[in-house]
Parts: sequence; structure tokens; C-alpha cells
Amino acid sequence: KAGVTQTPRYLIKTRGQQVTLSCSPISGHRSVSWYQQTPGQGLQFLFEYFSETQRNKGNFPGRFSGRQFSNSRSEMNVSTLELGDSALYLCASSSPGLAGQETQYFGPGTRLLVL
Amino acid sequence: DAKTTQPNSMESNEEEPVHLPCNHSTISGTDYIHWYRQLPSQGPEYVIHGLTSNVNNRMASLAIAEDRKSSTLILHRATLRDAAVYYCIPTFQATPLVFGKGTRLSVIA
Repeated sequence: KAGVTQTPRYLIKTRGQQVTLSCSPISGHRSVSWYQQTPGQGLQFLFEYFSETQRNKGNFPGRFSGRQFSNSRSEMNVSTLELGDSALYLCASSSPGLAGQETQYFGPGTRLLVL
Repeated sequence: DAKTTQPNSMESNEEEPVHLPCNHSTISGTDYIHWYRQLPSQGPEYVIHGLTSNVNNRMASLAIAEDRKSSTLILHRATLRDAAVYYCIPTFQATPLVFGKGTRLSVIA
């Protein structure tokens, strides 16, 4: 099976712009989660989508949003970019399993630089 | 979420075993202990998980203390490819995964 793919891999934006990142999960996986990784804060959970519905949300401002399509592909959007949004954005997918034992499969990430 | 304590960094010689410790004294009875690692310039990848008994897979072994307040990830023969940040994550839910700072493992040829 193909792994989790994320596009684009690298992105440069300027403050105030908006950006859309895309994630294609492993075939058959219906859950897609997004994480932000920065040197200062480490890996932080943004949100999770399952069957086109947001199931879980982290502690990020409303500028960060996402959606999931019927084919389980997901996009996340960041509006009004700030310098602090520069980070590696990671997408992970999983399929339902025994409670406590589900495995997350991560993509390679999209590195966003805000100037 | 259970709080975890891991060494900031560890070093190993290639071909030698590595024991990566993790303390999780506030773990709940239903939490599984998951280990993920993140190789340079890649997303995290699953390594192993367990509940109470020691576990083995092709990548590593997981030794869990009897009181479950600590665990140790064992790489039997470290290779250069094992150089990564290793995260110990006690959790019952698939998401969100709560990542701590992890242990940065360096492998010396």
C-alpha cells in the first residue's frame, strides 16, 4: 500500500497570506489527523477528521481549519499567516482497531516558511 | 494524559544494544504504551506498543515494568539508520497522540 502523502512538501508564504495543505491517507484509512511541529513547542495536535467530520480538536486559534472529503483526503488551511506559523505540518492516518492499539501512520510533512 | 520522562539524548555504538528508558508514573490502567520514532527529515513512525507484557517485533522489544510506571525500548543491534528521536506515549485513544520531547539517539559507526 502507498503511504500517507502530503503536498506540497515545501512552501514559502508571506505574513497575512493564507495557505492550504493537502493530505492523502493510506487507502482504506478514514481517520486523518494533523500535527504542527516546531523546534520550540515540539509536536502538537491540531485536529482529527473521521468520515468527513471533525472528531477532535487541539488548542489552536480559529485561523487553523481543516476538512475531509468523501474519499478521506484532507486539507488544512491557515489564514492570515503569522511568522510563528512557520513549522512542519504532519498528517497521519489510521484505521479503526482495538481500543488503545490503533497505529498512526505519518506522512513526510509539509514544511511551511512564513516570511 | 500520563506525563512521561525520557532522557534528552543517548548515544550508542553501531551493532550494540540500546536501552531507551521512559518513566510514566501517572499512567492509567487502560493506557497502552506506544513508542514512535522520528528519523531526520521524516514524519514519526510507529515502533511498538504494549500493555503489560513484554513485546517483540522485527524492529524492537518493549520491556514493561511490573507496576507499569516505566518501560524500556530495546534495540538489539543499533544501526546508523536507528538514529532518531524516540517518543514514549502512554495512551488509550488513537488521537491525539501527545508527544513529549523524546530521546535523541545518536549512533556512532
